Amino acid sequence: SQELEQSPQSLIVQEGKNLTINCTSSKTLYGLYWYKQKYGEGLIFLMMLQKGGEEKSHEKITAKLDEKKQQSSLHITASQPSHAGIYLCGPAPHQWGAQKLVFGQGTRLTINP
Amino acid sequence: DTGVSQDPRHKITKRGQNVTFRCDPISEHNRLYWYRQTLGQGPEFLTYFQNEAQLEKSRLLSDRFSAERPKGSFSTLEIQRTEQGDSAMYLCASSRKGQVRTDTQYFGPGTRLTVL
Repeated sequence: SQELEQSPQSLIVQEGKNLTINCTSSKTLYGLYWYKQKYGEGLIFLMMLQKGGEEKSHEKITAKLDEKKQQSSLHITASQPSHAGIYLCGPAPHQWGAQKLVFGQGTRLTINP
Repeated sequence: DTGVSQDPRHKITKRGQNVTFRCDPISEHNRLYWYRQTLGQGPEFLTYFQNEAQLEKSRLLSDRFSAERPKGSFSTLEIQRTEQGDSAMYLCASSRKGQVRTDTQYFGPGTRLTVL
């Protein structure tokens, strides 16, 4: 089965600082989802990367997929308190019909004012 | 366009009792998923419906768990004879099967179950 490892597991940064979260897969990545979760709430879809080298941005969050390295990085520029939460990555299925998501354990991000 | 809704948001029950959770997906979505999340872990897949058909079940879904989606709209997840190990957040997600290989799942707020 495919396993996702996220690093770091937790991160505390000062408001306004940049940060990067990494997601590494044990198997080939055919695409990757990034979600964000506030404590005790559901997951919010951030973006999906489908091709090697693809980079997407949403507000101040940028994610990139490196197929060869079987990993993705998520970068936040000029962090704000609203960025605090748990960031989860999950590989996109590579077969038609096999839609279940497998997540890493997440990266807990704390933003200090 | 309303999002995925789940009811109740919180449930406290005693060991041995039965509980039922409801999920209402986004209206035009034909796929519905259930996940379970324990503290400090990412969500784990439980089961998935396409319309009213249950197409996949995880080994995590023991015989005490049953899920239904009778009319292809809302879904229920029932846990019989609850155990303390069932305490977790139960998340529902929905998506629309399209012409591409993968579709984006949108999650509800979750139901937090505490078994005493």
